[in-house]
Amino acid sequence: TQLLEQSPQFLSIQEGENLTVYCNSSSVFSSLQWYRQEPGEGPVLLVTVVTGGEVKKLKRLTFQFGDARKDSSLHITAAQTGDTGLYLCAGGYGNNRLAFGKGNQVVVIP
Amino acid sequence: GAGVSQSPSNKVTEKGKDVELRCDPISGHTALYWYRQRLGQGLEFLIYFQGNSAPDKSGLPSDRFSAERTGESVSTLTIQRTQQEDSAVYLCASSLRQGAVNGYTFGSGTRLTVV
Repeated sequence: TQLLEQSPQFLSIQEGENLTVYCNSSSVFSSLQWYRQEPGEGPVLLVTVVTGGEVKKLKRLTFQFGDARKDSSLHITAAQTGDTGLYLCAGGYGNNRLAFGKGNQVVVIP
Repeated sequence: GAGVSQSPSNKVTEKGKDVELRCDPISGHTALYWYRQRLGQGLEFLIYFQGNSAPDKSGLPSDRFSAERTGESVSTLTIQRTQQEDSAVYLCASSLRQGAVNGYTFGSGTRLTVV
């Protein structure tokens, strides 16, 4: 069973602050994805990282895949209220399969 | 349509009744997935289809749950004799065959409430 632990479960910060959330596992994954889910909607893919040590930047979001491909982090610079949401990490394994963590609930206060 | 469509968006049913949830995946996506998301919980895998066959049904919680897919397109998740613990958001996703790298596209879900 591929188990992904996300921490912290809940994070509340002021607009303009930086934050980092984490996704950890004892399993090795072929790829690692981050999704954001807003209330009443399905998760939406933000990024896929496939190479150990890979870093990807999307505007104010920075994603890193651990060297051993077991963990990942998401860093948000100068958070905005629009960044509020549930951030889910998902690890690729087997044939076309993804295992999901329980998510990091981020609330950005204006 | 361009996205994954699920219907109904909301369903309230009485305990003991059967319900059917529908998923229309993106055209051409051969893989289709059903997940359940309970309040405050992560995504719980239910079943995976590749084409019309289901190589992995391991996530179905009990024999009250079943799913089928026809024409490599629409899928239906059926819950018989619903129980209050079945209350959750049921999410459907589809992907190309290599979707674990390309990612899943999710629908907005069906919120099921069993009263």
